[in-house]
Parts: sequence; structure tokens; C-alpha cells
Amino acid sequence: AQKITQTQPGMFVQEKEAVTLDCTYDTSDQSYGLFWYKQPSSGEMIFLIYQGSYDEQNATEGRYSLNFQKARKSANLVISASQLGDSAMYFCAMREPYTGNQFYFGTGTSLTVIP
Amino acid sequence: DSGVTQTPKHLITATGQRVTLRCSPRSGDLSVYWYQQSLDQGLQFLIQYYNGEERAKGNILERFSAQQFPDLHSELNLSSLELGDSALYFCASSAGGANSPLHFGNGTRLTVT
Repeated sequence: AQKITQTQPGMFVQEKEAVTLDCTYDTSDQSYGLFWYKQPSSGEMIFLIYQGSYDEQNATEGRYSLNFQKARKSANLVISASQLGDSAMYFCAMREPYTGNQFYFGTGTSLTVIP
Repeated sequence: DSGVTQTPKHLITATGQRVTLRCSPRSGDLSVYWYQQSLDQGLQFLIQYYNGEERAKGNILERFSAQQFPDLHSELNLSSLELGDSALYFCASSAGGANSPLHFGNGTRLTVT
């Protein structure tokens, strides 16, 4: 089974609108971390936001927030007020400390912001 | 700036050759991970080191090898290169604990001709 599933290969959003990128995960561990990364066309991988499995509040970082629904094992990224510079590939990842601190990545979602 | 340094940024070489990619992790990070990203593909985990010891292996070919040195820098060696090895190779480092993200270097773009 896939550890991380991103079901949206490509998404489009109008500038200044909000967009949600979906991510579901699979783990039997109680302690784990969830992360989102952005990869613009220039290629670098940029860490955006983190959510811990024991965190009761959804993580927020500026225009990024993580909609964490533990029972549904989902960790969706919400980008508010989209900007043209948000056009990029977005990867969801999970870290399992009790399986050797492995990181598992999804296949990514390509986001295009339309002016 | 993630604090992870990868060299070189670009590498062009011929089939059958051998190359070495170098990575210096963020100060204080003991774990180093190597990933391969082929064109329009996701990240393929290759190998993980922790404080000089190999911790986990992913889809790493036998032609590839890696090591982490006492000063914690790491090298990824790719030999008998094939056209299909052309990819972006990332090194990333992390501190311990579930809440520590991977910090990626800018990658080495390898082109095999």
C-alpha cells in the first residue's frame, strides 16, 4: 500500500483564490510527522509546513495551512490568496520515526495559478 | 537557503563513465538522505545514512554506492552510467525526531549523453 497518496496530478486556481491540495497517508504508528514541500520549475525543494500527529490544532505558516483530519488520515494543504509564484509542484510527505526515520513522499500535484 | 550544500550543480558525462556527487548537510544534522528525481517524476529514495552508518536503502542500483564520512559529508557514486541515469539528484539532511523536516540541497542535475 502507498504510504502517501496524492490523487490530483494537476490543479488550476485563479489568482487570489484559495486552493486545497489533497493528501492521504497510511501508517500504523501513533507518532509521525506530515510535511508539505514546494518544487518550483527551478527545481529546488522548499519545505512549507509541518504537522505532528499529536498536534490538536492545524498548522499554519503564512498563506499555507494544513487541514489535518487524523481519523480520515488526511493532511490537505490549503493555500489562500493564490499568487502566480505559487505555480509549482507540491509534494506531501510523512516521517515515521519508529521505522528508522523514513520519509515517504507522494507523487506530487502540479499547481498552476491563472492570472 | 536550506543549509545543505550539493556540488556540482550540473554534470554532463558520457555513458559508461563514473561520477561522484557531494553533499554537506546542515550543521548539526546527522542524517543524510539521497533521492533521485527523473524528468517529471516524483522523488525516488535511494539511501539514508545516520552518523556515518547506512540506515536504509531504497531503489538504489548496484552501480550506485554512497557513504557518509566522519565529518558527516556524504558522497554518492554513480558508475557505468546509462542514459536512464540522467536525473536530478537531491541530498537532504535532517535532525532526529518526527517533527524535523528534510532540508534539501539544490540538487545535482546529471545529464548522461
